[in-house]
Amino acid sequence: EAQVTQNPRYLITVTGKKLTVTCSQNMNHEYMSWYRQDPGLGLRQIYYSMNVEVTDKGDVPEGYKVSRKEKRNFPLILESPSPNQTSLYFCASSRGGELFFGEGSRLTVL
Amino acid sequence: KNQVEQSPQSLIILEGKNCTLQCNYTVSPFSNLRWYKQDTGRGPVSLTIMTFSENTKSNGRYTATLDADTKQSSLHITASQLSDSASYICVVSGSGGSNYKLTFGKGTLLTVNP
Repeated sequence: EAQVTQNPRYLITVTGKKLTVTCSQNMNHEYMSWYRQDPGLGLRQIYYSMNVEVTDKGDVPEGYKVSRKEKRNFPLILESPSPNQTSLYFCASSRGGELFFGEGSRLTVL
Repeated sequence: KNQVEQSPQSLIILEGKNCTLQCNYTVSPFSNLRWYKQDTGRGPVSLTIMTFSENTKSNGRYTATLDADTKQSSLHITASQLSDSASYICVVSGSGGSNYKLTFGKGTLLTVNP
């Protein structure tokens, strides 16, 4: 089954404790991206990747890092999480224009 | 600055009724416009994708229209069902180097009541 898989789905952590949210797709898509969704603000793009080893900033990249060492994986790294990074995060992949989203990762930073 | 504005912000209708959601954008140059449906707590799912040359595209009871001159799109839902209750998101992408630099609307929250 074609899918985008994110882990963890739910996470509660504390300020400053590094964490990684993994994202994997099995559709051989070149394009992958990360978004955060907050009430009243909609989806906002954090980072995107056009292909392996090619990444670029989206609209809200501050406090986040990404890497794209292989086509299927695009992890989102929070080096020192802060409470304002409490949000619902979505990973997506695409080829030909249509985005395929994961089920989301709800992150709470205390 | 590229922007996508959706209206209304929220909408409540009775089951079986039709409704139309609006999307206005200022993204330039324009490549394509997409409508997504997002059920509560789930990832968005694509309904339609429209390019510059397309005026209308249907997906079952969902019909999207695009007027590239006025930079407006609409999503019409016919004979609504309870399962149509969701947030509907309009997403616009620019052409050329910014083709994947997407601009998202904040969505319209549709509630269909029995």
